[in-house]
Amino acid sequence: GQNIDQPTEMTATEGAIVQINCTYQTSGFNGLFWYQQHAGEAPTFLSYNVLDGLEEKGRFSSFLSRSKGYSYLLLKELQMKDSASYLCAAPGAGSYQLTFGKGTKLSVIP
Amino acid sequence: EAQVTQNPRYLITVTGKKLTVTCSQNMNHEYMSWYRQDPGLGLRQIYYSMNVEVTDKGDVPEGYKVSRKEKRNFPLILESPSPNQTSLYFCASSTRDRGSGEQYFGPGTRLTVT
Repeated sequence: GQNIDQPTEMTATEGAIVQINCTYQTSGFNGLFWYQQHAGEAPTFLSYNVLDGLEEKGRFSSFLSRSKGYSYLLLKELQMKDSASYLCAAPGAGSYQLTFGKGTKLSVIP
Repeated sequence: EAQVTQNPRYLITVTGKKLTVTCSQNMNHEYMSWYRQDPGLGLRQIYYSMNVEVTDKGDVPEGYKVSRKEKRNFPLILESPSPNQTSLYFCASSTRDRGSGEQYFGPGTRLTVT
């Protein structure tokens, strides 16, 4: 599977902007996904990037640089309900195996 | 309502007693997968299935079996559970359009093996 790296924890203030980074191995790249997981719940899909650039979806945006093996999730106008873990995931080359990063736990404080 | 269901949601069992966790989806998805989630290790894929009768190993398949006899069902079997299989298990499904991504997850099964 892929080798995916993301920060373990982050803290940000309500109303602010936060960027969560993810790095992955570039060989056999086949798209990169972001999921949100609230404590005690199942992950839910946020975004999918297969081409370079920024994709915006409301308060959430996701960026990809294939040459650098780098992605980030940008959360704007943070709300308390955004406190959750954010998981970066990528399929293996030519397969349907999906590897997740260990997740970044985001705490939004007043 | 489109959903993935898992049963049971909680299970406490003893070492060596065979168990099956069921997973069913009503979205006609070809792809289904099982994950376990452990603190500090994240979500790790156990097995996945691209379609009926087609399954393959994920990153941590040891100690688990799966079968895919019908499109909607993908049970996870622990023939002889051990304490190191205590974990939170998620089943997921998706179409094949985006490879294995954009998955819909079940609510999870919390398994404790004593």
